[in-house]
Amino acid sequence: AQTIHQWPVAEIKAVGSPLSLGCTIKGKSSPNLYWYWQATGGTLQQLFYSITVGQVESVVQLNLSASRPKDDQFILSTEKLLLSHSGFYLCAWSPQGDYAEQFFGPGTRLTVL
Amino acid sequence: AQKVTQTQTSISVMEKTTVTMDCVYETQDSSYFLFWYKQTASGEIVFLIRQDSYKKENATVGHYSLNFQKPKSSIGLIITATQIEDSAVYFCAMRETRNSNNRIFFGDGTQLVVKP
Repeated sequence: AQTIHQWPVAEIKAVGSPLSLGCTIKGKSSPNLYWYWQATGGTLQQLFYSITVGQVESVVQLNLSASRPKDDQFILSTEKLLLSHSGFYLCAWSPQGDYAEQFFGPGTRLTVL
Repeated sequence: AQKVTQTQTSISVMEKTTVTMDCVYETQDSSYFLFWYKQTASGEIVFLIRQDSYKKENATVGHYSLNFQKPKSSIGLIITATQIEDSAVYFCAMRETRNSNNRIFFGDGTQLVVKP
């Protein structure tokens, strides 16, 4: 069975500080991977997606970047956090080459002060 | 333009009753996929059910079923015999087949409260 793990579970960071969030999926080779952002009480907004190692496409830029250093790993980062970056960040996966539904990780809650 | 609209912000029902949540969508694509997800209080997002646009038969999974009305661009979620643990936020979502970035468009969600 596939498992998706996100780290950290929660972060409290200062405005202007750097950020790195991680996502790992086990039990599935060459998945499509996605990053989503959700404001408190809001809908899900897709940020990035990746279909293979080293290849990341931006959907919506919020002064964030993403990388896929390994087949099972997806990283979301920024060098300078803004207050507007606060929210819930979710990693998701779907089978490669499939229009199937996406499956979500447990998420990381980010508070920027 | 792609858009998913859930007009019901919040619904409250008694346990063991049936509830329907509405969703309408906009797309120019002739082939697309519709999904319903559930977000629990902990933030966990769970995939519930899917409807492929080319299928006329309404999808059913457990006590979840869909009311797909293609001419009205509508995909309602029906939950029968509701349980307390069905209390959550329900998101309707759409994905087009010609979508080059595998993007799913989500609605704003409907909060469901199931009372004992």
